[in-house]
Amino acid sequence: GAVVSQHPSWVICKSGTSVKIECRSLDFQATTMFWYRQFPKQSLMLMATSNEGSKATYEQGVEKDKFLINHASLTLSTLTVTSAHPEDSSFYICSARGQTNSPLHFGNGTRLTVT
Amino acid sequence: QKEVEQNSGPLSVPEGAIASLNCTYSDRGSQSFFWYRQYSGKSPELIMFIYSNGDKEDGRFTAQLNKASQYVSLLIRDSQPSDSATYLCAVKNNAGNMLTFGGGTRLMVKP
Repeated sequence: GAVVSQHPSWVICKSGTSVKIECRSLDFQATTMFWYRQFPKQSLMLMATSNEGSKATYEQGVEKDKFLINHASLTLSTLTVTSAHPEDSSFYICSARGQTNSPLHFGNGTRLTVT
Repeated sequence: QKEVEQNSGPLSVPEGAIASLNCTYSDRGSQSFFWYRQYSGKSPELIMFIYSNGDKEDGRFTAQLNKASQYVSLLIRDSQPSDSATYLCAVKNNAGNMLTFGGGTRLMVKP
């Protein structure tokens, strides 16, 4: 089955620093990747949609200059949380899809803690 | 009205019983429907997807879709304590590129 690898699985960083999270589709080409954020006991919140080779589309309320997304190839998308603050601490999950109607497959998530 | 609605639960069922999870959606143009299971602290994993009206069975799981009534359900037969998790319903229409998730239903299967 389709495998999506996300790295790192957890990271602790100091306030003001930047953190990069990688999302890779291992056995299929992901034309579209999605980035979600999930706070404890809450549902998934879509942050942005990225298509290979084009700029990401951000959801309302998500700062594009703070959450930098790069989808440079059909198998890799990165999310960089810039100048992280404690309120950015959350569970970040990427997902990827090959064909338009194929199911979405999720990475294992990255738990970010900003101290 | 939310686009995809689920009862947040918790839904509590005894071990061995059938767990019935329901989801309603507002967009009549929706074409693809997915059920994901999410254990606490983990990312969602795909359980089933269904595109056509009717039932689709996979092992202990059955997805049911009724486009006229705009609902999709997931039945879990012979529920096990390991099925205890949050179940997310996701809906996609052909015009869009993304899934819309419901808030999830927390299922508790008691031994």
